[in-house]
Amino acid sequence: DGGITQSPKYLFRKEGQNVTLSCEQNLNHDAMYWYRQDPGQGLRLIYYSQIVNDFQKGDIAEGYSVSREKKESFPLTVTSAQKNPTAFYLCASKTSGGDGDTQYFGPGTRLTVL
Amino acid sequence: GQNIDQPTEMTATEGAIVQINCTYQTSGFNGLFWYQQHAGEAPTFLSYNVLDGLEEKGRFSSFLSRSKGYSYLLLKELQMKDSASYLCAVLFSGSARQLTFGSGTQLTVLP
Repeated sequence: DGGITQSPKYLFRKEGQNVTLSCEQNLNHDAMYWYRQDPGQGLRLIYYSQIVNDFQKGDIAEGYSVSREKKESFPLTVTSAQKNPTAFYLCASKTSGGDGDTQYFGPGTRLTVL
Repeated sequence: GQNIDQPTEMTATEGAIVQINCTYQTSGFNGLFWYQQHAGEAPTFLSYNVLDGLEEKGRFSSFLSRSKGYSYLLLKELQMKDSASYLCAVLFSGSARQLTFGSGTQLTVLP
């Protein structure tokens, strides 16, 4: 089945540790996105990538890093510099073709930093 | 910033009709999306409007007025499973084709 996968669904880390969240898609989409969602708030863009080996900061990139070495994969690292890392993290992708700008989301990873 | 406003919460009864409104800044508008998000799950795509008017898709319809910076999502024949958060998202020009999301409207459907 085609889709976007994120793993794990729940992740616990100690304060001060870096952690990497995975995002994989087999939809052949060019663009991929990372969002953060906090309770009662909308999605906020962390990083996005429109093509392999290229990515751009979103609105809240501080304390995060990404890579885009393969079209299918866009991992997000939450570093110890991120002051409030506990949140629900969503990965999305979209094609640059006829589907236009519709983004499709993975199931999300809920990160809790203890 | 590019503010997107929608009510925080709404309540409706099973079988009824509910309208969820969304307003946004008109400058640079390039399209509007509605997503449904159940608690702890990913948002799922509902509709996309780029031209004025009503788009109907089964029990769900979405309306857009570009001149007024206004959209609504209309849900008919409400079912319990429609209890979810509904996210309005706008595509603005010059934003590298990124979406700006509203905070979401939490809809509770009562029996």
